[in-house]
Amino acid sequence: DAKTTQPTSMDCAEGRAANLPCNHSTISGNEYVYWYRQIHSQGPQYIIHGLKNNETNEMASLIITEDRKSSTLILPHATLRDTAVYYCIVRLRNSGYALNFGKGTSLLVTP
Amino acid sequence: GAVVSQHPSWVICKSGTSVKIECRSLDFQATTMFWYRQFPKQSLMLMATSNEGSKATYEQGVEKDKFLINHASLTLSTLTVTSAHPEDSSFYICSARPGQGSDQPQHFGDGTRLSIL
Repeated sequence: DAKTTQPTSMDCAEGRAANLPCNHSTISGNEYVYWYRQIHSQGPQYIIHGLKNNETNEMASLIITEDRKSSTLILPHATLRDTAVYYCIVRLRNSGYALNFGKGTSLLVTP
Repeated sequence: GAVVSQHPSWVICKSGTSVKIECRSLDFQATTMFWYRQFPKQSLMLMATSNEGSKATYEQGVEKDKFLINHASLTLSTLTVTSAHPEDSSFYICSARPGQGSDQPQHFGDGTRLSIL
């Protein structure tokens, strides 16, 4: 799996958009970008994934640059419950291997 | 969406006892399940990969005789921490992956917090 780089921590005001960046400059053509988050004392939660097109679901939007070397996860209206560690993971979609979690970004949403 | 259930959520027991943790995929068949361990302020570390009907594959440094994994059906994998000691206290998390060929992402249980006194 390609390596990813994320900021260690970020703050966001409640109600504002949270934009979490991820660099994955060594991504290969058939690797997807996955985002998970882990709220304190819970298991990781799947958020979204994409290959090269921008994706949106009920939780978030994923913007992938044209060269696919970086991406941004957008939480459009952050709430206090979005405070969590967010992990960006690059891998083949149907990979049978486990997810490799790096350090992620600790997002703190403040009132 | 896919749901993975993990039980129990919290265990406190004496040193030397064995503890069994169950991981179930509730609405899909999981040919592969994974077991992770997470220490405070650290990321998840993969312990082992469990394939239905075959022996688990353990990561380097994980004692297979101490952490017994059984994946006897397509919806259940168990992790037994044998003769647990205080250093085994941790947050144990399982994940399940739908059958081969599926494009569904892995889903995780809510974890089991194990405290050994």
